[in-house]
Order: sequence, then C-alpha cells, then structure tokens
Amino acid sequence: KAGVTQTPRYLIKTRGQQVTLSCSPISGHRSVSWYQQTPGQGLQFLFEYFSETQRNKGNFPGRFSGRQFSNSRSEMNVSTLELGDSALYLCASSLVGTPEREAFFGQGTRLTVV
Amino acid sequence: AQSVAQPEDQVNVAEGNPLTVKCTYSVSGNPYLFWYVQYPNRGLQFLLKYITGDNLVKGSYGFEAEFNKSQTSFHLKKPSALVSDSALYFCAVRDDYGQNFVFGPGTRLSVLP
Repeated sequence: KAGVTQTPRYLIKTRGQQVTLSCSPISGHRSVSWYQQTPGQGLQFLFEYFSETQRNKGNFPGRFSGRQFSNSRSEMNVSTLELGDSALYLCASSLVGTPEREAFFGQGTRLTVV
Repeated sequence: AQSVAQPEDQVNVAEGNPLTVKCTYSVSGNPYLFWYVQYPNRGLQFLLKYITGDNLVKGSYGFEAEFNKSQTSFHLKKPSALVSDSALYFCAVRDDYGQNFVFGPGTRLSVLP
C-alpha cells in the first residue's frame, strides 16, 4: 500500500512569488492535514480537510490556503512568499476524522525562499 | 487550549541501556496521546498512541509509553536502546474535539555505541 506522497520534495522560490504543494493521501483516507515545521517554531498546524471541506485552520495568515479534491488529494498554496515561509511542509492523512486516529505523514516538501 | 511539553531538548543514552523520553500535556477533556519519530530529511513515523484503557501502551520497534493521568504525563520508553533509535521524537495530543495534533517541541535522542 503506497504511503502519503508529497510533491515536489524540494522547492526554491523567490520572495513575492507563490507556490503550490501537492499531497496524495493513502488510498481510502479522507482526512488530510498540513503542518509547517521550522527549527524555531517546531511543528505548527496549518489546516485540515475532510471530504473536501476545511474543518479546522491554524493561526496562519490568509496567504496560506488549501483545498481538497474529490479523490482526497490536497494542495496548499502560499502566495506572496516571505523569507520566513522557508520550512518543511508536511502532509498527513487519516482514514477517518475522529480524535483517536493516528495520522500518516509524507516525507514533506522543503521550501526555501530566497 | 491544548499544550505539550518535552522538557529535554536532548537525551543521550548508551546502546543497550534503557531510554526514556519525557512528555507532559495539558488538555481539557479526554486526552488522545501520540508519539512520532522523525529521521533526517523524512516525515514523521507513528510509534504508538494512548486512547483509553491500559496505561502501558506498546508500539512499534520495541517502544512503549506509560500514561499517567495524575501527573499528566506520557513518557516514551524502551528497555534496550539501539544506535538506530537515534532520531527526533515528538509527543502530540488531541482532545475530544480536536481535528489537529498539538505537538511538543521534540526531543533529540542520541544512542551512543
């Protein structure tokens, strides 16, 4: 069974540009969450989608957005990139959307903003 | 609001010795507790979780964790450490209503040969 797939693995962008990251969850999983990981702030929750609906959003500016498609694949978009957006972006998928579920993480997309 | 503390940034242990990585949490309602491990340039791998029931939870790769409600702790343990256990370990919590994890800051475990 294939795991969570994130593409691309690495990205280098310039300040002011926008970027789209992609996540394909494990087959059958309907919940997809996104996290930002930085050395200073650790792992921070961005948003969660379940059956194409955003159920929860973290404390990030509106430049960060996401969506989920009918096949559960998800994308996140960051507009007007800032140097501080450089981070490892992790996607996680779960079979169901209940609190006791474990999540399975992809290898992440490392975004560098220059 | 939920929060997780991992009081040690770094834990060093000799191979073959027991290891403990500490975690304390704060949550309203029932806690759902998780441990994840991260190897360099990789995502997070699930180790184990506590939902309810037995306070000692067994997980992957010989790891186990002990839930202590009165001390609001969920410490990760392994009886005999391996060099390959060297990695970054994260404790995480959800409450009854949470859709997202709240992660601790992580503890870097180094197992010395």
